[in-house]
Amino acid sequence: AQKITQTQPGMFVQEKEAVTLDCTYDTSDPSYGLFWYKQPSSGEMIFLIYQGSYDQQNATEGRYSLNFQKARKSANLVISASQLGDSAMYFCAMREGKDSSYKLIFGSGTRLLVRP
Amino acid sequence: DTGVSQDPRHKITKRGQNVTFRCDPISEHNRLYWYRQTLGQGPEFLTYFQNEAQLEKSRLLSDRFSAERPKGSFSTLEIQRTEQGDSAMYLCASSSHETSGIRAEQYFGPGTRLTVT
Repeated sequence: AQKITQTQPGMFVQEKEAVTLDCTYDTSDPSYGLFWYKQPSSGEMIFLIYQGSYDQQNATEGRYSLNFQKARKSANLVISASQLGDSAMYFCAMREGKDSSYKLIFGSGTRLLVRP
Repeated sequence: DTGVSQDPRHKITKRGQNVTFRCDPISEHNRLYWYRQTLGQGPEFLTYFQNEAQLEKSRLLSDRFSAERPKGSFSTLEIQRTEQGDSAMYLCASSSHETSGIRAEQYFGPGTRLTVT
């Protein structure tokens, strides 16, 4: 079964507007972490934001915030005030606490295009 | 600290040839991961090292693939008898969980793009 689901293959947003990228996950482990990475066309994976399953508040990092709804098993990324440089692939990933390797399980990604 | 580096950045090879990729992690990171990313997909886990020990291998890692991390520093990923289905981006990542545990960030290298013709 898919552990991370990103249902939006592609999204458009107007420059300076906010956009939400969806991510749902599936795990029976009560301890887990959720990550968002950005991958520009150059290929490198850039860490954006982290949310732990026991964190009481939604994570924020500058223009990035995570809308964490634990009961619905969703961890949507919100980018405020979009910039042209935000055009990239965005991946949601999960790490389970019971997994001693702490490997990341990625979704299939969402391609975001910011229109001027 | 120069981050995670990978070499080469691009490799074109003919089917049936062997290829080897190198990853140099961030120096103080004891954990090293290899992932494979095919076009339009997210990275998929291949294998994981803690120091020099290879502790986990994915089912994706067929017997044509071998990875090493001698002395717990750099790592190599070798693919023998390459097939067209091996064409992908091979990503290396490193992390240190001793202080951050489950929230420890994995730092990715720029990847090696392999094309098998």
